[in-house]
Amino acid sequence: NAGVTQTPKFQVLKTGQSMTLQCAQDMNHNSMYWYRQDPGMGLRLIYYSASEGTTDKGEVPNGYNVSRLNKREFSLRLESAAPSQTSVYFCASSPPDRVFRGNQPQHFGDGTRLSIL
Amino acid sequence: KQEVTQIPAALSVPEGENLVLNCSFTDSAIYNLQWFRQDPGKGLTSLLLIQSSQREQTSGRLNASLDKSSGRSTLYIAASQPGDSATYLCAVKETSGSRLTFGEGTQLTVNP
Repeated sequence: NAGVTQTPKFQVLKTGQSMTLQCAQDMNHNSMYWYRQDPGMGLRLIYYSASEGTTDKGEVPNGYNVSRLNKREFSLRLESAAPSQTSVYFCASSPPDRVFRGNQPQHFGDGTRLSIL
Repeated sequence: KQEVTQIPAALSVPEGENLVLNCSFTDSAIYNLQWFRQDPGKGLTSLLLIQSSQREQTSGRLNASLDKSSGRSTLYIAASQPGDSATYLCAVKETSGSRLTFGEGTQLTVNP
């Protein structure tokens, strides 16, 4: 049972570099999410995708782009990394809210620890 | 804007003690409230989800209660064990399709 798999687990970038964080889930979930976790700020939603082919901004979308490649995969891209984007990034998935009336918990990956120098 | 607060930020107890973790939220019109556990270097694991119409949920030694009118939830852990050491986060959902708003968590250490 892999659940939600994130790659890479660790990454160090220089300011201005770009990279893509990968996320895949094998639970046949429709909804997928990207969060960042920072000390003193808790988890904040960056982008989410309610279903394949749709994406929406969350609380802190600036500086990021996402792609819902198919039902399994949801990637997060930093086009020009900045030190303020140093964080731990989590991907999560859940069954569709419209089917389960929003009462299904989200399942999280183990995170990508990203440092930008 | 919904805000979720968890107090205390850290808690250390001896093994076997019963304990309560607190979560408060500013807007009582929530859809559900969820408790998660996070181990160091890991993602979040869902523990309990309480729907707005419910007052409590139980799973093993864990019991979560919800008082919407006062904007509070508690997570009760009975007979704590060292394996319970982790950070516990609560999150609220305001509508069926809305995002989760997380608290910053309570870091629990259970000492043998």
